[in-house]
Amino acid sequence: NAGVTQTPKFQVLKTGQSMTLQCAQDMNHEYMSWYRQDPGMGLRLIHYSVGAGITDQGEVPNGYNVSRSTTEDFPLRLLSAAPSQTSVYFCASSYHPGAGQYFGPGTRLTVT
Amino acid sequence: GQQLNQSPQSMFIQEGEDVSMNCTSSSIFNTWLWYKQDPGEGPVLLIALYKAGELTSNGRLTAQFGITRKDSFLNISASIPSDVGIYFCAGQGDNDMRFGAGTRLTVKP
Repeated sequence: NAGVTQTPKFQVLKTGQSMTLQCAQDMNHEYMSWYRQDPGMGLRLIHYSVGAGITDQGEVPNGYNVSRSTTEDFPLRLLSAAPSQTSVYFCASSYHPGAGQYFGPGTRLTVT
Repeated sequence: GQQLNQSPQSMFIQEGEDVSMNCTSSSIFNTWLWYKQDPGEGPVLLIALYKAGELTSNGRLTAQFGITRKDSFLNISASIPSDVGIYFCAGQGDNDMRFGAGTRLTVKP
C-alpha cells in the first residue's frame, strides 16, 4: 500500500494562475479531506468528501474547488491563486469521518 | 464555530521527564484524536478516543476523552529524544474535524 500520495511536493505560482493539487489513496477509504497548515494555526479543513460524488465545504473553502469522481482520487483546484493561499496543503483519508485519518506528505505552495 | 484551545504552545523538557498537554473547547466533540507531526511530513495518528471518559494508552502515551466531551489530554511518560515534534489534538464534530494549534515538544538529552 502506498497510503495517501500527493503531487507535486513543491509548487510556485504567480498571482492569478490556476492549478490542481493531486491526492490519491489506495486504502479504499470513503472519507477524504483537504487541509491547509499555516504557522501557529494548526490544520484548517478546506473541503471534504464522504464518498464518490459527494463533497462539502469545510472551515476555509473560499478560492478552492474539489471533485470526487472515484473513491481513490480527490483533487484540489485553486481557481485563481492569491498570496494568501501560500501554505502547506495536506490531503487525508479515513474509513469514516470520525476515524483517525492517514495524511499525505503535503504540498508546499508559494504564491508570488 | 468549533474552536480548540491547545496548551501549552511549546515545551522544553529533559529526557526522561513526563509530559502533559491538553485541549479544551466550548463545543462538544464526538471523537478526540491526537497526532504527531515531524518536520516536513504529514501528521501521524497516535491515539483515537471515541467515548466520553475513555482512557487509552499506546506504549508510553496515554490520552483521555473528557467526561464533558469538551476536553482531552495527552501524557507522554519517560520522554526520549525521538518524541521531539509537534503534537496536535483534533476533535470530530458533526461532519468536520477541527485541529488545535499544536504543542511543540523539545527534548534535551
